[in-house]
Amino acid sequence: EVQLLESGGGLVQPGGSLRLSCAASGFSFNNYAMSWVRQAPGKGLEWVASAGVPAGSTVYANSVKGRFTISRDNSKNTLYLQMSSLRVEDTALYYCAKRTSGWSFDSWGQGTLVTVSS
Amino acid sequence: QSALTQPRSVSGSPGQSVTISCTGTSSDVGAYDYVSWFQQHPGKAPKPMIYDVNKRPSGVPDRFSGSKSGNTASLTISGLQAEDEAEYYCCSHAGSYTWVFGGGTKLTVL
Repeated sequence: EVQLLESGGGLVQPGGSLRLSCAASGFSFNNYAMSWVRQAPGKGLEWVASAGVPAGSTVYANSVKGRFTISRDNSKNTLYLQMSSLRVEDTALYYCAKRTSGWSFDSWGQGTLVTVSS
Repeated sequence: QSALTQPRSVSGSPGQSVTISCTGTSSDVGAYDYVSWFQQHPGKAPKPMIYDVNKRPSGVPDRFSGSKSGNTASLTISGLQAEDEAEYYCCSHAGSYTWVFGGGTKLTVL
């Protein structure tokens, strides 16, 4: 069974930094692209970033480009999201999602909450 | 990377059918047959219901079906059941390994 467990969320001041982690199990992590998707309180889903299988293949939403860095450690089956220069509008539940071999997402974690507030 | 357009809400009675639309552009929905639909109950993670426009993951009832015409995709739920009441999101591949989601549609089963 695929399991994705996010951690690292919390309260941070505007301009601060935070690193999220997503521990994966139940599948061959190094064979699948992974993404972060966020959901602001009471709002819809927003794709944030993706890390492909080849090392270094990363893509970002315009809203986070230059501030967030997605990475993966295949030896630890873990996906990361380093967030810096955080803004109030980055407040959201951050989900880790496994991409299918195609172009969809077939497994999601339960999310970790990031609150940016002074 | 503008969000796809979905109706804010739809409703139907048990046993009826409802259709939720998802309108994008020629750069996302219209360009690729990679539209997905997710169901989200309050406090829960999104659950895949449809992928690649009209394919159902294992375990999803055949009451759920998807289609696409031009820049608009649709999710149809037939034989509505109480447990179908949830938020539904569409999602489309938008090229260059990026994705865009819809704003979500609240389905109410009357």
